[in-house]
Order: sequence, then structure tokens, then C-alpha cells
Amino acid sequence: ELKVEQNPLFLSMQEGKNYTIYCNYSTTSDRLYWYRQDPGKSLESLFVLLSNGAVKQEGRLMASLDTKARLSTLHITAAVHDLSATYFCAVDIRAGNTPLVFGKGTRLSVIA
Amino acid sequence: NAGVTQTPKFRVLKTGQSMTLLCAQDMNHEYMYWYRQDPGMGLRLIHYSVGEGTTAKGEVPDGYNVSRLKKQNFLLGLESAAPSQTSVYFCASSYPETFTNYGYTFGSGTRLTVV
Repeated sequence: ELKVEQNPLFLSMQEGKNYTIYCNYSTTSDRLYWYRQDPGKSLESLFVLLSNGAVKQEGRLMASLDTKARLSTLHITAAVHDLSATYFCAVDIRAGNTPLVFGKGTRLSVIA
Repeated sequence: NAGVTQTPKFRVLKTGQSMTLLCAQDMNHEYMYWYRQDPGMGLRLIHYSVGEGTTAKGEVPDGYNVSRLKKQNFLLGLESAAPSQTSVYFCASSYPETFTNYGYTFGSGTRLTVV
């Protein structure tokens, strides 16, 4: 059974600081997705990582995938309040078209 | 282009009542999914469908039934609601040829409270 673990589950950080969210998974996979959810809203796709060593960046967020370590990271650079949200990673354990397994999410709060 | 539409958006049920949640997509997606989201639990898969007329169980299927009579619609039924089914329900869809690169398209969610 695939397990997807995120840590931390809660993160309060000051504006301007850097931090990393970790996503570990238990079964071989080379497809990992990051989503963002604002309070009371739906999930929005952030990054799609499709191979070992993949790195994607959008603004102050950068995601990477290490399939050998079964680890993805979401790095936040110089956090701003607008990044406050819950971030989910999700893993695809087969060759596409099968249900994603989600982590429990990391609730990020950026404070002044 | 509406994407994935869920109805209703909010609902309060009494224990033992039944209801159906509707998910409709206009993107010609083959695959559709129902997840529930509970605080601290992330999203857990209830049922999914890989095509019209097909359904399969996910991680937490007990107490729910589904039907996919038309490709564009995926219905989630609660026959006898229980307080443990209080949750936010998300529908998602995907297209085989684009799933790898784009993942899911999510609906806006249905917030269900069972009292």
C-alpha cells in the first residue's frame, strides 16, 4: 500500500524567510504532483514532476523530485503572505491514469 | 468552458437521510474520481471510474455508492447518512492522454454536514 507522508503538517513562517516542505512516499514512482488549496477553495495544480531530478520553479516556489530517495521537496524562498495556503503532494504509482494518492497536506501560514 | 461542476455546494442532512452528489464535466474526460477531505487527513479516494459504465472502489468506499451512466456525469450516493460522513467532497477528472502532464481537474467541492 502506497503511503505518502508530508512534513511538516503545519508551518508558520515569517515573511522573507526560506523553508522547505518534504514529501516522502513508500513505493517506486516517477510521477509526483503538487497542489495548492486556499481556505474554502478547491485544489489548484502547482507542479508536475515526471522524472528523477526534475525541478520546476514558479515565482518563490521550487519543487524537485528524487525518485531514488522517494522524496520530493517544495522550497519556499523569501515567503510572502500570499503564499499562505495548504500544499498537497500526490503520487501516481502506475503509468498514469490511476488514482493519485495524496499526502495529508502542509498548512502554511506566512506572518509579518 | 465550465470544467468540473459539483452540485450542491453545501448541504445539511439528518442522520439516516439519503442524497446524491452530482459531478459533471464538459472536457470529455474518461476518468472521474470522488475524494473526501477531512481535517488532518488529506484527500482520500472514495470511488473512481475509468469510463462510462465502470466504477471501482477506492480507499474509503463504505457507506457510498456511485454510478457513471453517462461519460460526463459521476454520481456519489449516500444511502443512509451518518455523522462520520460529514466532510468536504471533491470530484476530479482526467484525460488519459494528458493526465501525466496535467494531473486532475478538480471541482469546487461540496461541503456536507450530517447532524
